Amino acid sequence: DTEVTQTPKHLVMGMTNKKSLKCEQHMGHRAMYWYKQKAKKPPELMFVYSYEKLSINESVPSRFSPECPNSSLLNLHLHALQPEDSALYLCASSLRDSNYPANYGYTFGSGTRLTVV
Amino acid sequence: AQSVTQLDSQVPVFEEAPVELRCNYSSSVSVYLFWYVQYPNQGLQLLLKYLSGSTLVESINGFEAEFNKSQTSFHLRKPSVHISDTAEYFCAVTRGGYIPTFGRGTSLIVHP
Repeated sequence: DTEVTQTPKHLVMGMTNKKSLKCEQHMGHRAMYWYKQKAKKPPELMFVYSYEKLSINESVPSRFSPECPNSSLLNLHLHALQPEDSALYLCASSLRDSNYPANYGYTFGSGTRLTVV
Repeated sequence: AQSVTQLDSQVPVFEEAPVELRCNYSSSVSVYLFWYVQYPNQGLQLLLKYLSGSTLVESINGFEAEFNKSQTSFHLRKPSVHISDTAEYFCAVTRGGYIPTFGRGTSLIVHP
């Protein structure tokens, strides 16, 4: 299995809703990431988990709450989002057992296209 | 700090023509370089990477990139493009650690 699977592929939510994005990989990667991508822009890092622990939070608003229940799963809980949060949310993972996992490249999921109405 | 410059936001080209997508980086230390491709409505896929060794790296679908330390460049080339190569291409650099710095992206548009 060489994939990162993200669900759902599309999500429309109101500003008062609570929803969650899910990401799963079975490659044994121990670093997992959430990125946000606006159209025609590069992905922007949101969170990094290393060995199931949050290691980087790029000053993301608290209406985004990440969770890593185990080494294969990564969730992003959404609450009280704003229309400007509409974007493609990408999950990625990278090689385990390395001090510098990003040096080996990421495996990205196909993303969840989120629309906040 | 490191930065990545993709000089062209859009590159239109006819099918079967050669193409070069330019990427320059700035860093005072050794770096690792990547090209990612993003097809419409998909996530990013790692196309090729330079970690060390031969400065010319190739992908399985005919792209190649050459690491040029003196010019701090990592340009992506393909001798003959196909319609299916139409996509957004991102250059990225890391210098050790988790987080790559991405360029702004180049849209490759292949016309029939």
